[in-house]
Amino acid sequence: QSVLTQPPSASGTPGQRVTISCSGSGSNIGGNTVNWYQQLPGTAPKLLIYSVNQRPSGVPDRFSGSKSGTSASLAISGLQSEDEADYYCASWDDRLHHNVFGGGTKLTVL
Amino acid sequence: QVQLQESGPGLVKPSQTLSLTCTVSGVSMSSGGYYWNWIRQFPGKGLEWIGYIYYSGATYYNPSLKSRVAMSLDTSENQFSLNLGSVTAADTAVYYCARNPDTAMDELDFWGQGTLVTVSS
Repeated sequence: QSVLTQPPSASGTPGQRVTISCSGSGSNIGGNTVNWYQQLPGTAPKLLIYSVNQRPSGVPDRFSGSKSGTSASLAISGLQSEDEADYYCASWDDRLHHNVFGGGTKLTVL
Repeated sequence: QVQLQESGPGLVKPSQTLSLTCTVSGVSMSSGGYYWNWIRQFPGKGLEWIGYIYYSGATYYNPSLKSRVAMSLDTSENQFSLNLGSVTAADTAVYYCARNPDTAMDELDFWGQGTLVTVSS
């Protein structure tokens, strides 16, 4: 059972905007930043969004993040076929003293 | 370009010790500035943080695994290692090494490609 809660799946058509939610608690998302990882099929997770809404170099601005209270969201606008992947949220947990992850959301581009 | 590469046996027998090594290139571990992590991904996709080691040798392990885990580093080889003892089938997973800046404990900015370890007799 993952500490952070994500929907198992999401879908959209090319060009659409999709959002993926992530729910936690006061000891993680509520008091810390949130990161998002993208895992393309057969590859390792890659840091997609850090510090809630920052993009590492090379990540398109179609990807954006936000946080409110103990929940966070990842938004993908102008959906493309290459965005089909698993997406994981993560945060530091002050009670556990380590990173915790969501269970992952499989994004399908229809 | 920073790269991490896991290596080790792909098959371990129950009750034995799982041993993996992560070789780091593109950055010197002895220079500091980063924590070096092990994370695993179960067949059902869930991710679990195992622990980290700092360039000083300081470690912190997931409390749920603490009694079975040991990490070490070899700065001369720019490598760090994971030992997980008394393994069972539940330890079957893809094991990743990753780093985070010591200014951002939660940001795993570079990952290895991962190595599948199966626990089976």
